Amino acid sequence: ETGVTQSPTHLIKTRGQQVTLRCSSQSGHNTVSWYQQALGQGPQFIFQYYREEENGRGNFPPRFSGLQFPNYSSELNVNALELDDSALYLCASSFPPGQNTGELFFGEGSRLTVL
Amino acid sequence: AQSVTQLGSHVSVSEGALVLLRCNYSSSVPPYLFWYVQYPNQGLQLLLKYTTGATLVKGINGFEAEFKKSETSFHLTKPSAHMSDAAEYFCAVTKNTGFQKLVFGTGTRLLVSP
Repeated sequence: ETGVTQSPTHLIKTRGQQVTLRCSSQSGHNTVSWYQQALGQGPQFIFQYYREEENGRGNFPPRFSGLQFPNYSSELNVNALELDDSALYLCASSFPPGQNTGELFFGEGSRLTVL
Repeated sequence: AQSVTQLGSHVSVSEGALVLLRCNYSSSVPPYLFWYVQYPNQGLQLLLKYTTGATLVKGINGFEAEFKKSETSFHLTKPSAHMSDAAEYFCAVTKNTGFQKLVFGTGTRLLVSP
């Protein structure tokens, strides 16, 4: 069974740039969620994708966007990077809505530093 | 709306001592509750979860938690701490119907001294 994998593991960007983070879901899972974890904080929900569509969104501006592909992998895109976007970005996969008990399976994250 | 409060950003114990990490939740609907552990520079790993049924749930690495509806609590315990338990622990809540997203607490860092 293949777990959730994320890439890149670390990256450094400057303010105003754009970034794309990638995630492959665990085998058998077709729902992907993204979380932002700032230093010293708990993860904050960004959005969830199911059947290649956004299925729920947290309190993040539109410059945070995503995609889900037919193989259930996903991307998180952030435009016009700000210093406060520096964080660990966590991808999590799960069984589809209505078929799971809320349990998420997390990848190891992509650490983004914005200078 | 749902929320989680974790009392104590840091908890220090000696090896072999009881571990108690506190979590209180707020939820307008019956909740599902979780404890996750995060080791340095890693993602989150599920320790245990409460969905329905038995209110005392056992997880990995000897941890357990008890769902107490009257106290809106879901405290995490382990009878005897081990050095390898040193990590960040997060309590999380979601609702049991409809769209589910995990709402996390701010975390408690467990320090274990020899």
